[in-house]
Amino acid sequence: SQQGEEDPQALSIQEGENATMNCSYKTSINNLQWYRQNSGRGLVHLILIRSNEREKHSGRLRVTLDTSKKSSSLLITASRAADTASYFCATDGAAGNKLTFGGGTRVLVKP
Amino acid sequence: EPEVTQTPSHQVTQMGQEVILRCVPISNHLYFYWYRQILGQKVEFLVSFYNNEISEKSEIFDDQFSVERPDGSNFTLKIRSTKLEDSAMYFCASRKLREIEAFFGQGTRLTVV
Repeated sequence: SQQGEEDPQALSIQEGENATMNCSYKTSINNLQWYRQNSGRGLVHLILIRSNEREKHSGRLRVTLDTSKKSSSLLITASRAADTASYFCATDGAAGNKLTFGGGTRVLVKP
Repeated sequence: EPEVTQTPSHQVTQMGQEVILRCVPISNHLYFYWYRQILGQKVEFLVSFYNNEISEKSEIFDDQFSVERPDGSNFTLKIRSTKLEDSAMYFCASRKLREIEAFFGQGTRLTVV
C-alpha cells in the first residue's frame, strides 16, 4: 500500500533558519499535500502539489515533487517560533479519495 | 471562515462502553471522512462517506465501528464495546465534490479506561 514516510523525524533549528523535510511514498499518486499539526490539535492544510507539478510556492513554503523518485520536500524559509509543529505529508492515489499520511516531522524552532 | 467542528473535544469512557463522536462538516461539502491518530503515531484513514453511504473503509473499520449522517448537518462515528486500544485522537474531515483539499476538525481525544 502506498505510504508517505517523512525524514527527519525531528528537526530543531533557530528562528530565521530554513527547515527542510522530506517525504517518500511507494505507489502512484494523484496529489501530495502537506499538513501542519500543532501539539494535540487538528490538521491544518498547508499546500497541495499535483502529480504533474514539480514545484509550488505559498508564502514562506516551497514544495517540490519528484514522481520519478516518489519523493517530495517541504521547505520553510525564515522560520519563526510559531512554525513549531509537526508536519505531515499525505498522498491520495488513483481513487483520489482517502489520504495516506506519513509519520510526520516534528519541527522545533527556537527563538 | 467555515470550519469542521467536532464534539466533544475530549471523551473518557469505560472499556466496553459505546461512544458516539460527533462532527459537523462544512455545509456545502459532500465527502466526509473519519481518521484516527494513536498517540505518537500516524494519522490513519478509517472511512469515507458520500451520498449517504460508505465509499471506502480501511481494515481498522470493522464491525465495531459505524458511521451515520442522521440529519443534514451531523456526521457521527459510533464505536461499540470500546477497547483500550481505541484510545486515540479521532479527526473528522470534509471536502467539496470536485476539490481535493480536505478540511479537518480539531479532533476528539478518546480515552478508554
